[in-house]
Amino acid sequence: EAQVTQNPRYLITVTGKKLTVTCSQNMNHEYMSWYRQDPGLGLRQIYYSMNVEVTDKGDVPEGYKVSRKEKRNFPLILESPSPNQTSLYFCASSISIAGASYEQYFGPGTRLTVT
Amino acid sequence: GQQLNQSPQSMFIQEGEDVSMNCTSSSIFNTWLWYKQDPGEGPVLLIALYKAGELTSNGRLTAQFGITRKDSFLNISASIPSDVGIYFCAGPGGGADGLTFGKGTHLIIQP
Repeated sequence: EAQVTQNPRYLITVTGKKLTVTCSQNMNHEYMSWYRQDPGLGLRQIYYSMNVEVTDKGDVPEGYKVSRKEKRNFPLILESPSPNQTSLYFCASSISIAGASYEQYFGPGTRLTVT
Repeated sequence: GQQLNQSPQSMFIQEGEDVSMNCTSSSIFNTWLWYKQDPGEGPVLLIALYKAGELTSNGRLTAQFGITRKDSFLNISASIPSDVGIYFCAGPGGGADGLTFGKGTHLIIQP
């Protein structure tokens, strides 16, 4: 089944404790992206990757890191989480933005709480 | 960046009613996408539009790409309980070739 998977689905952590949220897609998509969703603010892009070893900042990158060492994986790293990073996070992928395919497919989400 | 205004913010309707919602942008788009998000899940792509004036259906859902290329509409006919959720419009923008999303229309169906 074609899908985007994220782990963990739920995470409660404390301020300053490094964490990684994994994202994997099995559709051979070139483009991958991370979003956060907050009440009243909608979906905002954190980072994206056009292909392996190519990543760039989205609209709200502060406090986050990403890497794209393999095509299928795009982990989101919070080196020192803070309470304002409490949010619902989504990973998404699409075939190729360069090919004018904007149809992004989303993972199930990771609900992160930082205390 | 791009601004997408989606309305209404929420809708309270009776089962069986038709639903209409729309999205406008501050600039011209060459693509419009409509997503639905169920509680606790990620957004799911419903319809993609690539041409001004295009009208595309997916079951009881119909979406239109506005002629001005600055708006799009989503209609749901004969709503059923499983239509409950948040509907998002999206278009190109946000982080070089990414997507910009509207803030969503929350659809609530009253029994």
